[in-house]
Amino acid sequence: DAKTTQPPSMDCAEGRAANLPCNHSTISGNEYVYWYRQIHSQGPQYIIHGLKNNETNEMASLIITEDRKSSTLILPHATLRDTAVYYCIVRAQGGSEKLVFGKGTKLTVNP
Amino acid sequence: DTEVTQTPKHLVMGMTNKKSLKCEQHMGHRAMYWYKQKAKKPPELMFVYSYEKLSINESVPSRFSPECPNSSLLNLHLHALQPEDSALYLCASSQDIKGIRAGNTIYFGEGSWLTVV
Repeated sequence: DAKTTQPPSMDCAEGRAANLPCNHSTISGNEYVYWYRQIHSQGPQYIIHGLKNNETNEMASLIITEDRKSSTLILPHATLRDTAVYYCIVRAQGGSEKLVFGKGTKLTVNP
Repeated sequence: DTEVTQTPKHLVMGMTNKKSLKCEQHMGHRAMYWYKQKAKKPPELMFVYSYEKLSINESVPSRFSPECPNSSLLNLHLHALQPEDSALYLCASSQDIKGIRAGNTIYFGEGSWLTVV
């Protein structure tokens, strides 16, 4: 099963782009990369997901390397409200359909 | 509408009480989930329902009893809990149990904060 590695914490200045990396070197060809975030005391919020191509929506962009071993979530203009724990999830462990969270990256956006 | 609604938002219960957490979605999703999250930890899966039938139980103690009365509702019945069961309980739903394998999105509610005294 693919596992993910994320830095435990990152800082970003307000108004700048936040680039959150995720390594998933054991990913299989048909496994999606999902990103969620959790703002303090709230439920996890879906951000974006992708398979092979780069994806963009109103919240963020997802850049997946050609070999699919890593990806980067980009918040183009970070605001203070983007301060949260960001989770990169590739596949449920154990071969089942579960969404299993790793430790994530705590992003702090500073004024 | 991608809303999963959980009630109550906060619950305080004694160790001998019986209470229930409720979850509702109207997205036509056929898979529903319960997660538990302790402070400063990631969410951990407890149960998965698929088409109103229990599909996955992550070896959760029997003092937690899930119920899916219909495709829109998911309950978590609580009885004889311990203080260490105090946590944020999250409900989620997805189109079906294929979940992230099929590129489906799993949507979460805001959670119910449970304190056991």
